[in-house]
Amino acid sequence: SQQGEEDPQALSIQEGENATMNCSYKTSINNLQWYRQNSGRGLVHLILIRSNEREKHSGRLRVTLDTSKKSSSLLITASRAADTASYFCATGINAGGTSYGKLTFGQGTILTVHP
Amino acid sequence: ETGVTQSPTHLIKTRGQQVTLRCSSQSGHNTVSWYQQALGQGPQFIFQYYREEENGRGNFPPRFSGLQFPNYSSELNVNALELDDSALYLCASSPTHQGLHSPLHFGNGTRLTVT
Repeated sequence: SQQGEEDPQALSIQEGENATMNCSYKTSINNLQWYRQNSGRGLVHLILIRSNEREKHSGRLRVTLDTSKKSSSLLITASRAADTASYFCATGINAGGTSYGKLTFGQGTILTVHP
Repeated sequence: ETGVTQSPTHLIKTRGQQVTLRCSSQSGHNTVSWYQQALGQGPQFIFQYYREEENGRGNFPPRFSGLQFPNYSSELNVNALELDDSALYLCASSPTHQGLHSPLHFGNGTRLTVT
């Protein structure tokens, strides 16, 4: 079953605009990560926010985490055509032992940035 | 630094056949995870290997099996292929020294089509 649910499923904007994607999850987490995927290729890690953090920045990316609402948002500022991709949130859960590689992904948001 | 590489990139098999997919992890990464991504969906965790042993498994039947070798490379084997096994199979590696907050490094995947 999917832990994360992204919203919206698809987002279409013009270059220069900001893009906001939201993610909700169901269980307690250790961290929440955002990944990007271009056209059926591998996923690229964008940013990781730990459960005790509320906001994190990386370049044009800003991620917030609200553990009380079990939700996160990814903001891409001043978007570019090259930002066109699918974006996924993924949650890391402490399932005991070394659960390093076990992430639960949402279904993703398809972002299209028009030049 | 060599990234995660997967082979082959594309594969077509017939229902009932067996398939082996291969993955070389990123240099210095000793944990390998495998994910299945159906079209239009987020990746689903299959299993993880650490120190050559399976260390965590998702909701996949026993006909999905794997191996990790001393050089940390890995194989995913699927027996008795079914049509629903058609998907993009992604391998990801991570360095365990970062613990539960390790981002995953993905390969570009193997596109498996079962006819």
